[in-house]
Amino acid sequence: RKEVEQDPGPFNVPEGATVAFNCTYSNSASQSFFWYRQDCRKEPKLLMSVYSSGNEDGRFTAQLNRASQYISLLIRDSKLSDSATYLCVVNPVAQAGTALIFGKGTTLSVSS
Amino acid sequence: DVKVTQSSRYLVKRTGEKVFLECVQDMDHENMFWYRQDPGLGLRLIYFSYDVKMKEKGDIPEGYSVSREKKERFSLILESASTNQTSMYLCASSFPGTGGGRRGVYEQYFGPGTRLTVT
Repeated sequence: RKEVEQDPGPFNVPEGATVAFNCTYSNSASQSFFWYRQDCRKEPKLLMSVYSSGNEDGRFTAQLNRASQYISLLIRDSKLSDSATYLCVVNPVAQAGTALIFGKGTTLSVSS
Repeated sequence: DVKVTQSSRYLVKRTGEKVFLECVQDMDHENMFWYRQDPGLGLRLIYFSYDVKMKEKGDIPEGYSVSREKKERFSLILESASTNQTSMYLCASSFPGTGGGRRGVYEQYFGPGTRLTVT
């Protein structure tokens, strides 16, 4: 049973392209959602939280579809520095003392 | 800025040795976590702790134990290291999720990782 599923990629895109990643989760009671970014040989870092109404942070837009249980991340005007692995993360319950569930990640490679 | 530090970046140990990995956070976080990350398998939770002296098994606790005697410190112990425990070990910490803020609740902050090789 895969609780959080992502296409591992790699997604190879040129600079300036728009790219989208999707992620599905199995627990319909999941409460909060995130995208993390992990650079090669570095630790994961929070990119953005994902809200029900959708949210945008510069070139990045995150969307949540609770009915279909998927989360998306859209990157516009891709930069070389966007090359990384993007981890979809789900918190299954809204209470203290629970652990986040991480997807295995989607690898993005942006080339000039 | 939140800081999570791990005692070593690289560690080489022999099969059968007892191994201690230390993690310290400076943000007064209640929650702390230990993961291992392997190619193709992603991040897998070993243990987590939501309070001093409290611990919960994650997905792959076998062969590991943990200790949380102080709020800021969470130790991972490999009782008898084996070659299949060669991996990248990542520690993380977070608030317990009652907060909010721009970056949302339950954000986990990770340490830089310890690359452990067991020979």
